[in-house]
Amino acid sequence: RKEVEQDPGPFNVPEGATVAFNCTYSNSASQSFFWYRQDCRKEPKLLMSVYSSGNEDGRFTAQLNRASQYISLLIRDSKLSDSATYLCVVNMGATFNKFYFGSGTKLNVKP
Amino acid sequence: ETGVTQTPRHLVMGMTNKKSLKCEQHLGHNAMYWYKQSAKKPLELMFVYNFKEQTENNSVPSRFSPECPNSSHLFLHLHTLQPEDSALYLCASSPSLRGRTDTQYFGPGTRLTVL
Repeated sequence: RKEVEQDPGPFNVPEGATVAFNCTYSNSASQSFFWYRQDCRKEPKLLMSVYSSGNEDGRFTAQLNRASQYISLLIRDSKLSDSATYLCVVNMGATFNKFYFGSGTKLNVKP
Repeated sequence: ETGVTQTPRHLVMGMTNKKSLKCEQHLGHNAMYWYKQSAKKPLELMFVYNFKEQTENNSVPSRFSPECPNSSHLFLHLHTLQPEDSALYLCASSPSLRGRTDTQYFGPGTRLTVL
């Protein structure tokens, strides 16, 4: 089993749609969780951290379910500029931080 | 954004060449990382440095040799690479290796092609 698993997609949605991505992780003792965004041929950039109580940043909402070991990202009112690959990242290090990346979920927002 | 810079941005090399990738971070971070990103695969951690000391070598072949002269600079020396080593090599930094809320900041990467 991979440490972090994501549906690779692609998710093809029209502008204005709401889209949700899920991610599962293998280590129940994982410490911290993140969503990164990666545009084509660019580096990953932090989108948001994921907190236990869930958190929202504008049109983006992240949720963590520790019991089921999954993380979700909800994007409301999708924009063309949201088209990218979304990477789920989990810190599974016990003593030191050790970040594991999912393969990413590709999102295409169409006009 | 110039927090983490990498040079060169593109590199084509033959299997017998020796080259080096350079990473520099201007964020005052103490931890630096090398990752490999191949097509349709997740980022693979290669090396981790904390305060110039290597803390992780993720079973990377010896044809990749890292060097960290100080907390701001990280190099990846390459020699006798194979075509399957062609990938995007990403450098990242984070404030520390222990902060649970620490996040990583990535450089733009070096796209390497081995002929």
